[in-house]
Amino acid sequence: EIVLTQSPGTLSLSPGERATLSCRASQSVSSSYLAWYQQKPGQAPRLLIYGASSRATGIPDRFSGSGSGTDFTLTISRLEPEDFAVYYCQQYGSSPKLTFGGGTKVEIK
Amino acid sequence: QLQLQESGPGLVKPSETLSLTCTVSGGSISSSSYYWGWIRQPPGKGLEWIGSIYYSGSTYYNPSLKSRVTISVDTSKNQFSLKLSSVTAADTAVYYCARRTVTIRIPYYYYYMDVWGKGTTVTVSS
Repeated sequence: EIVLTQSPGTLSLSPGERATLSCRASQSVSSSYLAWYQQKPGQAPRLLIYGASSRATGIPDRFSGSGSGTDFTLTISRLEPEDFAVYYCQQYGSSPKLTFGGGTKVEIK
Repeated sequence: QLQLQESGPGLVKPSETLSLTCTVSGGSISSSSYYWGWIRQPPGKGLEWIGSIYYSGSTYYNPSLKSRVTISVDTSKNQFSLKLSSVTAADTAVYYCARRTVTIRIPYYYYYMDVWGKGTTVTVSS
């Protein structure tokens, strides 16, 4: 079973700062099977990044993804007020077919 | 624009079966590019994938829930459904339905969940 570990658990930053979120897999994951989601309180998750680095439709270019193998990163270049939320990485492929990381909360400092 | 809407009882008694339906509007559930899935989120916790189904009826489930889960599809109604048996308080969660899309850019296949329902809260309590 592939386990995705996200760090840090909470990131306290100010608007305008750069956020770097990590997702580490217990086994190698194909980059094309790695996605990132944003979730705000009371809302469903929203797809941000698929294929480790491709932005989903309508996602601002301040969001970027990178990585391969077991280490993946989501970067928000300059935090906007609406970016404070919880972020999840997700992999598809190995049993269980689909798993999520535990999430990173980006909060206002 | 494709929309998904979950429906079903908000309160289920322990040991009973939780039943939810996801209605797909603005598009067909019978498209070859998509699987349709259920994901849940206990209060204050992260996301857990429950299982997914293809319009043909092909399914795959999270092994941790497989013995209690049945997902089915009704293409005539453009709906798919979740049944979770023998529920306990640990099954209390917001339940989401979502579309799993595959994008092909030879030689790569990209899988992701790009359309989600708003979620429905299910509480297991007597």
